Amino acid sequence: DSGVTQTPKHLITATGQRVTLRCSPRSGDLSVYWYQQSLDQGLQFLIQYYNGEERAKGNILERFSAQQFPDLHSELNLSSLELGDSALYFCASSVDVGNSYEQYFGPGTRLTVT
Amino acid sequence: GQSLEQPSEVTAVEGAIVQINCTYQTSGFYGLSWYQQHDGGAPTFLSYNALDGLEETGRFSSFLSRSDSYGYLLLQELQMKDSASYFCAVRDQSSASKIIFGSGTRLSIRP
Repeated sequence: DSGVTQTPKHLITATGQRVTLRCSPRSGDLSVYWYQQSLDQGLQFLIQYYNGEERAKGNILERFSAQQFPDLHSELNLSSLELGDSALYFCASSVDVGNSYEQYFGPGTRLTVT
Repeated sequence: GQSLEQPSEVTAVEGAIVQINCTYQTSGFYGLSWYQQHDGGAPTFLSYNALDGLEETGRFSSFLSRSDSYGYLLLQELQMKDSASYFCAVRDQSSASKIIFGSGTRLSIRP
């Protein structure tokens, strides 16, 4: 158990819908990262927050957005969903930006768009 | 841009030693990390090399040669539970916050 929690574990929704994925980092970690992993693919970095502020962006679609709240939990919002958005979405955390090389991952949310 | 290359699949025998290589191309380098991911599971941090040389953690070791832009993960005394995908990763040259992962090496272990 990494100490990072993600909800929900599974999500099935229809095209065109909007969903919110939630993540709570390990106690004491200020940095939160979001990744997308499609079937048999590597991890694609989406976005990173540090202590409530956006710090880095990857190839995140405009339909996707995220935020980190004062209690440090983070939410990833996916809208106008398409079939291709079906994937595993992982949240990870690290103590701070300087420790980004050592991240602790949550169990992931498996999103299925039908 | 930055890129990492690793073999897509490696097969080894239980009890043996296996080496998973990773070569990278980046203009700025902050170190090489390794992660393990079992099927259906989350990636787990294994090791980090900031400097050249070998880092040992139990049965796993990781090596880095910055002059060769090359690193490897060495797994000894292989166990069936080591069957998993292994990813190398580097920090993005433009932002230390952004991590670039390799496409992963699927390690299969035979009895």
